[in-house]
Amino acid sequence: AQSVTQLDSQVPVFEEAPVELRCNYSSSVSVYLFWYVQYPNQGLQLLLKYLSGSTLVKGINGFEAEFNKSQTSFHLRKPSVHISDTAEYFCAVTPGGYQKVTFGTGTKLQVIP
Amino acid sequence: DSGVTQTPKHLITATGQRVTLRCSPRSGDLSVYWYQQSLDQGLQFLIQYYNGEERAKGNILERFSAQQFPDLHSELNLSSLELGDSALYFCASSVDFATYEQYFGPGTRLTVT
Repeated sequence: AQSVTQLDSQVPVFEEAPVELRCNYSSSVSVYLFWYVQYPNQGLQLLLKYLSGSTLVKGINGFEAEFNKSQTSFHLRKPSVHISDTAEYFCAVTPGGYQKVTFGTGTKLQVIP
Repeated sequence: DSGVTQTPKHLITATGQRVTLRCSPRSGDLSVYWYQQSLDQGLQFLIQYYNGEERAKGNILERFSAQQFPDLHSELNLSSLELGDSALYFCASSVDFATYEQYFGPGTRLTVT
């Protein structure tokens, strides 16, 4: 079975500052990794995904994440955040196929003007 | 707009009652997933259907059941409702059985009183 840990439940950051949201996973098999964003009163939206290949993955809205197999991490980064990035971010992992997706507990990003 | 629709948007009911949540996947998507999101449990995978057949099961209670119909819409039935069942219920869909990219609906907020 796999698991996901998002150590930070809330991350406040000033507008135009860089941000990193941390995600660590645990699995006995190869996995696929995802970051989703949930804006208030909305469903989740896929930001980016790592399936294979380059360990640096670029997503929508200027976000990127780096897969680090040795550290079992998949941290999300953005060089300069905007007010509109205020949302909750979820890291997720799955072995693929018919296996379920396991989500982390979420990190609330609060961008301060 | 993800293209996934869910009805109703809000539902208030009493303990012991039974409700049905409905989901229509994106056009062309064959796979449907149900999730429960609550403050104490986070985002939990319930069940997955692919082209009418159950493919994966998560933390779904025996009081809950789901099905996917020939037109690919899905229904989640919750019975003998308890206060702890109050949550946001999301439906997601993907093109095929691979859980690589899921598109989430706006959710149904269930309140059990």
